[in-house]
Amino acid sequence: KQEVTQIPAALSVPEGENLVLNCSFTDSAIYNLQWFRQDPGKGLTSLLLIQSSQREQTSGRLNASLDKSSGRSTLYIAASQPGDSATYLCAVYNQAGTALIFGKGTTLSVSS
Amino acid sequence: DAGVIQSPRHEVTEMGQEVTLRCKPISGHNSLFWYRQTMMRGLELLIYFNNNVPIDDSGMPEDRFSAKMPNASFSTLKIQPSEPRDSAVYFCASSPGQYLEAFFGQGTRLTVV
Repeated sequence: KQEVTQIPAALSVPEGENLVLNCSFTDSAIYNLQWFRQDPGKGLTSLLLIQSSQREQTSGRLNASLDKSSGRSTLYIAASQPGDSATYLCAVYNQAGTALIFGKGTTLSVSS
Repeated sequence: DAGVIQSPRHEVTEMGQEVTLRCKPISGHNSLFWYRQTMMRGLELLIYFNNNVPIDDSGMPEDRFSAKMPNASFSTLKIQPSEPRDSAVYFCASSPGQYLEAFFGQGTRLTVV
């Protein structure tokens, strides 16, 4: 059964710092991985989808990488801003494509 | 497109009452998911529809929960009777197809007292 882990659970950084959020999964036979952000009391906003055949995906200041062999994905945020403060969630599709399996998230706080 | 639309945004009900949550997926998307989010368990899939047909309902906790998708633009999640342990945020999400980028609604915060 696929399990997704995100460490650390919380992270605090000063504005302007580059940072990396980690996501690990137990079954390397994944079918696409998606990163989301969730603001308090809000829904999930899609950030990036990495297809299983890709190693990297970029959107603005965000760069997500995927290493299936090691069961890891990272989300790199460049030049962090207070507006980046949110919970970041990683999710992988199950083999059947009928569910995104989520980690518990990393709550990021960027101070000005 | 307005995105995935859920209603109501908040629902407070008494134990034993019936609750119906509604979802309008993004037009053209043929995959629809219902999720539940709690502090303890995080996000858990309840049910998945493809082309309006329930494909995976393994996450539906018990017979008190039921979901329907009568057409491509509308889905409901019903809880009857509701219990305090059903209190959570319920999300609906849609995607253009299996394994593709999923988009979530704003959620319905359900409180059962």
